[in-house]
Amino acid sequence: KAGVTQTPRYLIKTRGQQVTLSCSPISGHRSVSWYQQTPGQGLQFLFEYFSETQRNKGNFPGRFSGRQFSNSRSEMNVSTLELGDSALYLCASSLSLRGSDTQYFGPGTRLTVL
Amino acid sequence: AQSVTQLDSHVSVSEGTPVLLRCNYSSSYSPSLFWYVQHPNKGLQLLLKYTSAATLVKGINGFEAEFKKSETSFHLTKPSAHMSDAAEYFCVVRVNTGGFKTIFGAGTRLFVKA
Repeated sequence: KAGVTQTPRYLIKTRGQQVTLSCSPISGHRSVSWYQQTPGQGLQFLFEYFSETQRNKGNFPGRFSGRQFSNSRSEMNVSTLELGDSALYLCASSLSLRGSDTQYFGPGTRLTVL
Repeated sequence: AQSVTQLDSHVSVSEGTPVLLRCNYSSSYSPSLFWYVQHPNKGLQLLLKYTSAATLVKGINGFEAEFKKSETSFHLTKPSAHMSDAAEYFCVVRVNTGGFKTIFGAGTRLFVKA
């Protein structure tokens, strides 16, 4: 079974631009979560989607948004990029929404904002 | 409020000696607990998880962890370190607060000396 895939793997943008990152979950997985990883703040939860609905959201400004499609693929969007948005963005998929479900992580998208 | 504290930011051991990575959590709800490992430039990989079954959990690569509710701890151990264990380790709590919330510890960098 193919793992979680994220595209693109690397991105360079300038301040003020917007960006869209994509995540394809493991086949059969219906839940997708997004995380931001930075050296200073570590791994922080952005949001979680299940059945095309956002089920939970972390403490990030409204510039960060996401969506999930009927095939469980997910995208996240960051508008009006700031230097501080430079980070590794990780996507994880799991079978369902149970707390005990294992989350399988993709390799991440490295975003650099100049 | 839910939180995860990894008590050591860095741990250094010699190859062949035991490994102990410490994790304490705080949660008003019954948590699921996980340990993930992240090798340089690689994605996060699940080592093991606790989901209210046996309190001693065995994972991959010889790692295990014991859930101690009275101490709110979930320390990760391995009897004998291998050079390939050098990586960053994350303790993770997942709770249902009306929507699942996933909280990562700050991480512990494990160094293994030859």
